[in-house]
Amino acid sequence: KQEVTQIPAALSVPEGENLVLNCSFTDSAIYNLQWFRQDPGKGLTSLLLIQSSQREQTSGRLNASLDKSSGRSTLYIAASQPGDSATYLCAVMSYSSASKIIFGSGTRLSIRP
Amino acid sequence: GAVVSQHPSRVICKSGTSVKIECRSLDFQATTMFWYRQFPKQSLMLMATSNEGSKATYEQGVEKDKFLINHASLTLSTLTVTSAHPEDSSFYICSARDSGLAGTHYEQYFGPGTRLTVT
Repeated sequence: KQEVTQIPAALSVPEGENLVLNCSFTDSAIYNLQWFRQDPGKGLTSLLLIQSSQREQTSGRLNASLDKSSGRSTLYIAASQPGDSATYLCAVMSYSSASKIIFGSGTRLSIRP
Repeated sequence: GAVVSQHPSRVICKSGTSVKIECRSLDFQATTMFWYRQFPKQSLMLMATSNEGSKATYEQGVEKDKFLINHASLTLSTLTVTSAHPEDSSFYICSARDSGLAGTHYEQYFGPGTRLTVT
């Protein structure tokens, strides 16, 4: 059974810093891994989707990497801004979970002005 | 891009009543839809997988008689919370898989969520 873990659970950094969010998963037989952003009381915004055959994806100041062999993914945010404050969720679709998306517990990010 | 809508976005109901939440794929067909529940400051937990024209598959611990799911068409799935209680208050999010991409990208699109409050 796939399990997804995110560390840290919460993170507070000053504006302008580069930061890394971590995601680990127990079953490496995955279709894809996706990073989402969720603002308080709101739905999900898809940030980056990495297919199983890929090692990274980039969008603007965001870069996500995938290492299937170690069961890890990182989301790198460059030059953080207060508007980046949100909860970031890692989600994995794997063969063992019958193609269902399993979410991590999330990292609550706060960027201090 | 693909859009999934949910209706209503917010609903307040009295304990003991039933409430229906709709999930629609607006510009694609979805043979498979998923329903998630999210409690405050927690992650999304998959409740059930909804397949068009067949019975939904529920995750362990989810009461199928309480959370009725109907997927009558390729663009609509409904979740009915029956005999709602305050502990059912939560944020319910649906997602839909584009049937046209089956076997390729397996990308799912998420709705904006429905905030249910049971008083």
